[in-house]
Amino acid sequence: DIQMTQSPSSLSASVGDRVTITCRASQSISSYLNWYQQKPGKAPKLLIYAASSLQSGVPSRFSGSGSGTDFTLTISSLQPEDFATYYCQQSYSTPRITFGPGTKVDIK
Amino acid sequence: EVQLLESGGGLVQPGGSLRLSCAASGFTFSSYAMSWVRQAPGKGLEWVSAISGSGGSTYYADSVKGRFTISRDNSKNTLYLQMNSLRAEDTAVYYCAKVLNYYDSSGSNCFDYWGQGTLVTVSS
Repeated sequence: DIQMTQSPSSLSASVGDRVTITCRASQSISSYLNWYQQKPGKAPKLLIYAASSLQSGVPSRFSGSGSGTDFTLTISSLQPEDFATYYCQQSYSTPRITFGPGTKVDIK
Repeated sequence: EVQLLESGGGLVQPGGSLRLSCAASGFTFSSYAMSWVRQAPGKGLEWVSAISGSGGSTYYADSVKGRFTISRDNSKNTLYLQMNSLRAEDTAVYYCAKVLNYYDSSGSNCFDYWGQGTLVTVSS
């Protein structure tokens, strides 16, 4: 199975900060990488698909980049509603997809 | 509006069985593959199983293969997960998720809609 890692596992940031989360795959997954946001007690929400495509309705402060094994999710200016846990997910090995362990973003 | 509503979770003893349901609305259910994803308390997301739109192809994580069965009734717009021989490590919130294929290639997919989840607790 393709293993996904994320760094950092958690971070503290302030409203207005630029935040970058990194996701790494154990082998090349081309651009088959998706990002989800999950708030406590809620279902995950799709933010970015195909490494850099913004899902409809998602604010433009979210962006994704990367290909091969290294990917990043960037929040250009952190808003109060962005405090959540973020997961990357590879779909290269569909249907045996795997998620990263998550990055928790909380308030500094 | 797409809606996915899971039901059927609850407390079950180790070795027991449970059937989860996911009622779908707001899209042409039979045209989309569906998946189950679970999340143990305080842990990350784990893919469990997937099924094609027609129901003719099914897939399972190694951790549940031989114990869980995914199925769908396209006439009722409902997805199911039959869980047998349950173990403590199956304790989790189970989400159903709609699969979006954004390009015509096998890896070009994501989960664009999720249900609210149903909690399964396996304990004596």
